[in-house]
Order: sequence, then C-alpha cells, then structure tokens
Amino acid sequence: AQSVTQPDIHITVSEGASLELRCNYSYGATPYLFWYVQSPGQGLQLLLKYFSGDTLVQGIKGFEAEFKRSQSSFNLRKPSVHWSDAAEYFCAVGAPRTGANNLFFGTGTRLTVIP
Amino acid sequence: GAGVSQTPSNKVTEKGKYVELRCDPISGHTALYWYRQSLGQGPEFLIYFQGTGAADDSGLPNDRFFAVRPEGSVSTLKIQRTERGDSAVYLCASSLSGPDEAFFGQGTRLTVV
Repeated sequence: AQSVTQPDIHITVSEGASLELRCNYSYGATPYLFWYVQSPGQGLQLLLKYFSGDTLVQGIKGFEAEFKRSQSSFNLRKPSVHWSDAAEYFCAVGAPRTGANNLFFGTGTRLTVIP
Repeated sequence: GAGVSQTPSNKVTEKGKYVELRCDPISGHTALYWYRQSLGQGPEFLIYFQGTGAADDSGLPNDRFFAVRPEGSVSTLKIQRTERGDSAVYLCASSLSGPDEAFFGQGTRLTVV
C-alpha cells in the first residue's frame, strides 16, 4: 500500500525567500505524484503532477517539483515566495496501476510567509 | 456550474441523527470522489464513482456510511447514526478520467454534537 510523509508540519519563510517543502512516499512502483494547495476557506487546488518522463515538473504559480526515485521524494520548490502563497500544502500519491483511483494524501505542511 | 459544488457548506447535527451531503460535479465529469478531512490531517479517501457505479468503496469506514450517484452526476453521501467522531470536512472531487485531473469542491463541514 502506498503512503506519503510530509515531515514538516509548519514552515515559516520571509517573502522573497526560496521555499522547499518535503515529500516522501512509499510505493512499490513508480507512482503518480501530486501537490495540492489549500487556502483558508478554499478547496484543494492542483499545483502540479508527475506521471512519467522528465523528473522536473513545472506547475502553476511558479512552483516546481522534482521526482527523485532513489530518494522516494517529490519535493516542492519555489525560488521566491509571495505573501499570497501562505496556505496548507499537501503531497499526494496515486496508484492507477493497481486499479486504485483514489489518492493518498500526506498530513500537509502549513506555510507562513512573513513580510 | 463552473466548479464542484457541495451543499450544505456547514451542517450541525445531533449524535445519532442521519445526514445527507450533496455533491454537484463539474458537468461532463464521469469520475467522482468523496474524501474526509479531519482537523490537522490530509484528506482521506472514502469512495470513488465511475458513472453511476461505485468503482471503489474501500475507504468507507463502516456500514453507517453510504453514497449514491443514481444518474451519474449528482452524488449524495449518507451517514446514519452519526457519531462525534464523524465530525470533519467532507470533500468531493470530480474528474474526466482518473485522479489526475480531479477538481475539488470547498467541502461540507460536518459537526456532530
């Protein structure tokens, strides 16, 4: 069975600073990997996804993520954080090869941005 | 509508009561998912519909939970004999195919008192 670990519960960065949110997964094969963002009072929004191919994935709002098979990681990065990026970020794993169409989510990382 | 719509946005019910939560997916989306998000946790999968049928209901916690999608569009999540532990935000998502393009609604916050 797949699982997702987001080791950082809460991260605080200064506006303009770079950001990296960590995600590690457990799955027997190459999974489908996702990053979602959830702002207060808003639904989950897909930032980016990885299925196969180029391991560096570009997403919306200037985010990118890199799939590293050897480390079972899919960390999210942004070179310069904006105050509007403050939100909860969730990494998720999908396993369509097994016929499962549900996503396993991590527990999330809350991002605070200070001026 | 333009997005996934969930009603009500908030629901307070007494322990032991029956509740129904509604999800209107994006028009034309054949796949529909229900998730439950408890405080401080990530969403937890409950059930997945492909069309009218439940393709995967392995996430439903027990037989008090049931969901239907009779016409392949609107779905209703039904919870019988509610318990305080059922308090959570219930999220619905829909997609054209598979989980890769899933769009989430804003959820229904259920509080069981």
